Amino acid sequence: ETGVTQTPRHLVMGMTNKKSLKCEQHLGHNAMYWYKQSAKKPLELMFVYSLEERVENNSVPSRFSPECPNSSHLFLHLHTLQPEDSALYLCASSQGGAQGANVLTFGAGSRLTVL
Amino acid sequence: GQNIDQPTEMTATEGAIVQINCTYQTSGFNGLFWYQQHAGEAPTFLSYNVLDGLEEKGRFSSFLSRSKGYSYLLLKELQMKDSASYLCAVSRGSTLGRLYFGRGTQLTVWP
Repeated sequence: ETGVTQTPRHLVMGMTNKKSLKCEQHLGHNAMYWYKQSAKKPLELMFVYSLEERVENNSVPSRFSPECPNSSHLFLHLHTLQPEDSALYLCASSQGGAQGANVLTFGAGSRLTVL
Repeated sequence: GQNIDQPTEMTATEGAIVQINCTYQTSGFNGLFWYQQHAGEAPTFLSYNVLDGLEEKGRFSSFLSRSKGYSYLLLKELQMKDSASYLCAVSRGSTLGRLYFGRGTQLTVWP
């Protein structure tokens, strides 16, 4: 366990379904992130939250909707997804400040398959 | 965008030394990171370089040349458990974890 927990670990959904991915960090960090990892492609940054405020939306389609109710929890709400959205979705957290800000601690990911 | 290049695959034998190279082209460079990712697991932080030179941490070392846009990760005394994907990532001018990753190098260590 890394201190960042993601649920569910695996999710299969149809294109008309609505589901949510959950991330919880137990590290006392103040920034949280969603990254997407597709086969044979680099990890892509999707969203950044700092102190519960969204500070970056990296041109992500609106069918992905993040929510950060507090500094320990992050959600990714999914609706009307496409098969090409099938990927591993990784949550990460970091501690703000010049030294440690960019050292991300990742969760194990939620493997999403869209049929 | 960022161009971050690293080899797709490498193989080596137990006890050997392997060097994984990473080249990058980016503006506002603010540091280079290496992460290790075993299949089905979370990427884990290995090293961070912001100044030129070599950072040593046990069996793993990482080198950076900012003028050349080049880094490498050196793994010594390879063990079977070192078989994993090694991800090179660049940070750009930010205090937040906006990292831009390469595609990763899949290292296989043979007995």
